[in-house]
Amino acid sequence: DAKTTQPTSMDCAEGRAANLPCNHSTISGNEYVYWYRQIHSQGPQYIIHGLKNNETNEMASLIITEDRKSSTLILPHATLRDTAVYYCIVRVALSPSGNTPLVFGKGTRLSVIA
Amino acid sequence: DTGVSQDPRHKITKRGQNVTFRCDPISEHNRLYWYRQTLGQGPEFLTYFQNEAQLEKSRLLSDRFSAERPKGSFSTLEIQRTEQGDSAMYLCASSSDSTSYEQYFGPGTRLTVT
Repeated sequence: DAKTTQPTSMDCAEGRAANLPCNHSTISGNEYVYWYRQIHSQGPQYIIHGLKNNETNEMASLIITEDRKSSTLILPHATLRDTAVYYCIVRVALSPSGNTPLVFGKGTRLSVIA
Repeated sequence: DTGVSQDPRHKITKRGQNVTFRCDPISEHNRLYWYRQTLGQGPEFLTYFQNEAQLEKSRLLSDRFSAERPKGSFSTLEIQRTEQGDSAMYLCASSSDSTSYEQYFGPGTRLTVT
């Protein structure tokens, strides 16, 4: 079962920042927070991941609280193409067997509105 | 890098028939995953391979399901005696140990069992 809780849906005006929250209160010390998104009729796409420090890449920023029990994905200037379902996933990155499968919840459906 | 490809993209079959799906991962990726996604849900893990070895199977993978990855390249997922409950999107993903944080997903095969 997914170890994360996300709002079912959110709206965001085009050009504004989209802030997507995620609760993961039972996260373990060796678990990372990952974000993927799934645009309609496509496979999921990796966005970003982090352990405890804030992370930024060309797509988004990830803010993780100090106690690691929650995080926020930030899309700084949302566009219509960012309309998708966003999944927050916690996952052990360095298990003995290497890459573990992803456990998806239902995610947050983000609608970017013109 | 041509991405992960899946074939066919759509399959309609009658209950009781057997179906087989193919996944071609990114060429240098040694890990390959199968997921299933039903409407309104996030993808659910089915099974995964490291090279040609099948390392893990989900309890969702009933005896009617079988997956192979001969020679550690492409993979096939076969469903025998299909049931209406098998109707779903079947997603394949691949990753390499050098970029272990990211799984690259294919576009999926949508199965409809009538």
